[in-house]
Amino acid sequence: GNSVTQMEGPVTLSEEAFLTINCTYTATGYPSLFWYVQYPGEGLQLLLKATKADDKGSNKGFEATYRKETTSFHLEKGSVQVSDSAVYFCASRNTGFQKLVFGTGTRLLVSP
Amino acid sequence: DTAVSQTPKYLVTQMGNDKSIKCEQNLGHDTMYWYKQDSKKFLKIMFSYNNKELIINETVPNRFSPKSPDKAHLNLHINSLELGDSAVYFCASTPGQGDTDTQYFGPGTRLTVL
Repeated sequence: GNSVTQMEGPVTLSEEAFLTINCTYTATGYPSLFWYVQYPGEGLQLLLKATKADDKGSNKGFEATYRKETTSFHLEKGSVQVSDSAVYFCASRNTGFQKLVFGTGTRLLVSP
Repeated sequence: DTAVSQTPKYLVTQMGNDKSIKCEQNLGHDTMYWYKQDSKKFLKIMFSYNNKELIINETVPNRFSPKSPDKAHLNLHINSLELGDSAVYFCASTPGQGDTDTQYFGPGTRLTVL
């Protein structure tokens, strides 16, 4: 079955620093890939997604590129803000109805 | 106009009790889910229903019984609660069963078993 591996957190950055959160996946075939974000006390919400190789998902200054050759979907942002502090989840889902498989989540803490 | 709502938001109860958590979505989606998030934030699917029919049932103790009276509602009933059931439970929905479908999550129900 599918699996998703994320870097351990927490990731602690100062405002305006560059962010990378690594995510790699294993799957049969070519899954769709997602980043979800969970702000304190809230449910998860979709941040961005990519459905095929070389696709780039982007939203709110965050980007991630679907790299088939390295089975990766790393999340990046050029300049983080305090309001980006949250837990970020990488997830994958295979074609044909399959469950969404989440990574363990990476907590991001941004200080002023 | 909440998209996916859950009640209650907090639930504190004693071991051995039976409790229910309710979920409703007003998005017109066909598919709904229950997830469990443990204290380390690990999120795992428990059940999924499509048009009131069970389609995913992960390895969950049979003390947990989902019920879908209609496609807008998916409730979770838990019998004989145990300490290890303490977690945050999230309901979610998707338009269908497409692999690219975005999941819309509810705000979560924090269950504490004493």
